[in-house]
Amino acid sequence: AQSVTQLGSHVSVSEGALVLLRCNYSSSVPPYLFWYVQYPNQGLQLLLKYTSAATLVKGINGFEAEFKKSETSFHLTKPSAHMSDAAEYFCAVTDSGGYQKVTFGTGTKLQVIP
Amino acid sequence: KAGVTQTPRYLIKTRGQQVTLSCSPISGHRSVSWYQQTPGQGLQFLFEYFSETQRNKGNFPGRFSGRQFSNSRSEMNVSTLELGDSALYLCASSPTGGGMNEQFFGPGTRLTVL
Repeated sequence: AQSVTQLGSHVSVSEGALVLLRCNYSSSVPPYLFWYVQYPNQGLQLLLKYTSAATLVKGINGFEAEFKKSETSFHLTKPSAHMSDAAEYFCAVTDSGGYQKVTFGTGTKLQVIP
Repeated sequence: KAGVTQTPRYLIKTRGQQVTLSCSPISGHRSVSWYQQTPGQGLQFLFEYFSETQRNKGNFPGRFSGRQFSNSRSEMNVSTLELGDSALYLCASSPTGGGMNEQFFGPGTRLTVL
């Protein structure tokens, strides 16, 4: 069975500081990994996804994530936080052989302090 | 293209009642998934439909059911509502489902059970 662990349900950073949101996964087969963002009162929106083409994945709004198989991690980073980045972020995994059964992490709320 | 739409956006019901939620996927998308989002449990997968067939099901009781129509629109039904069913119900669509495909989420239906 696949699972996702997001360390830290709340993360606070200063505007302009590095954003680092952690995600570790477990999967019995090579996974597909995703980061989604949810703004208040909205659905989720895809930030980026890993599908084995490249280990460093660039997404929208300046975010990127690196797939590290040895660490079973897929951490999300952004060099400089902006006030508009305040939202909840979800890491998700599906397995390469399955249908759309997606397992989501419990989410990390990012607060950006001016 | 229009995005995923969900109706209604807000619902208030009382215990024991039943409720039906509707989801219209992006035009051309044949896979529709449903999720329950609560502060304590995060996002939990309910079920996925593809071409009117349920392909995957999460660990929810039989009170939760769904269906998909020939135009890919989907409904989910919850019977005998319990207080714990209060949640944001999210619908997501993708072209064919499958592990590597991005999901496109609707804004959700906020269900409150009194």
